[in-house]
Amino acid sequence: QVQLQESGPGLVKPSETLSLTCSVSGGSISNYYWNWIRQPPGKGLDWIGYIHYTGSTNYNPSLKSRVTISLDTSKNQFSLKLSSVTAADTAVYYCARQAFSYSSGWSDFDYWGQGTLVTVSP
Amino acid sequence: DVVMTQSPLSLPVTLGQPASISCRSSQSLVYSDGNTYLNWFQQRPGQSPRRLIYKVSKRDSGVPDRFSGSGSGTDFTLKISRVEAEDVGVYYCMQGTHWPRTFGQGTKLEIK
Repeated sequence: QVQLQESGPGLVKPSETLSLTCSVSGGSISNYYWNWIRQPPGKGLDWIGYIHYTGSTNYNPSLKSRVTISLDTSKNQFSLKLSSVTAADTAVYYCARQAFSYSSGWSDFDYWGQGTLVTVSP
Repeated sequence: DVVMTQSPLSLPVTLGQPASISCRSSQSLVYSDGNTYLNWFQQRPGQSPRRLIYKVSKRDSGVPDRFSGSGSGTDFTLKISRVEAEDVGVYYCMQGTHWPRTFGQGTKLEIK
């Protein structure tokens, strides 16, 4: 059974960089797309971006100038960096798996982490 | 971006009664491969979202058959045939055809 686990600081100061890591267990990072999704308190879900196991990335244009997603295949981990944060970046951050195959097409977000709350405050 | 619009946003339901959630997209969700990538997620209180339905009507493993999805093009529906207490939570539709991926606002299902 694939499991994802987010980790990182729960408090970040305004203008600083938010950094989170997602550890994948019970399966390989290979052949999948690895995503970050966030949910501001009491609000809906927003897709941040993904990194493919080959290293290619795709980011939401609304955050593209501030987001970097990277991969460490040796540790079965991928990471999120969000720069110049403000209070609007306060949210629960989830990592999630996505797949694509030419036979089955897209399979979005079949496995999720438990989420980690990041608060942006002085 | 493709806008996903759900209704209603709040859904009080009596135990054992059916429930229905509508989701409308601002663009067709038919992909170039002929598939329609419309997903439904359930988020129980204090939990991560869980995918229930993918490609409009395909149930994920372990999802009770009282959940069903239907629709085409830009109009989609999630139905629960008989609501149980464990179904309480927020339901989101999400389009997987266009980038960026986008979610509906969520429909909060509660027991009346």
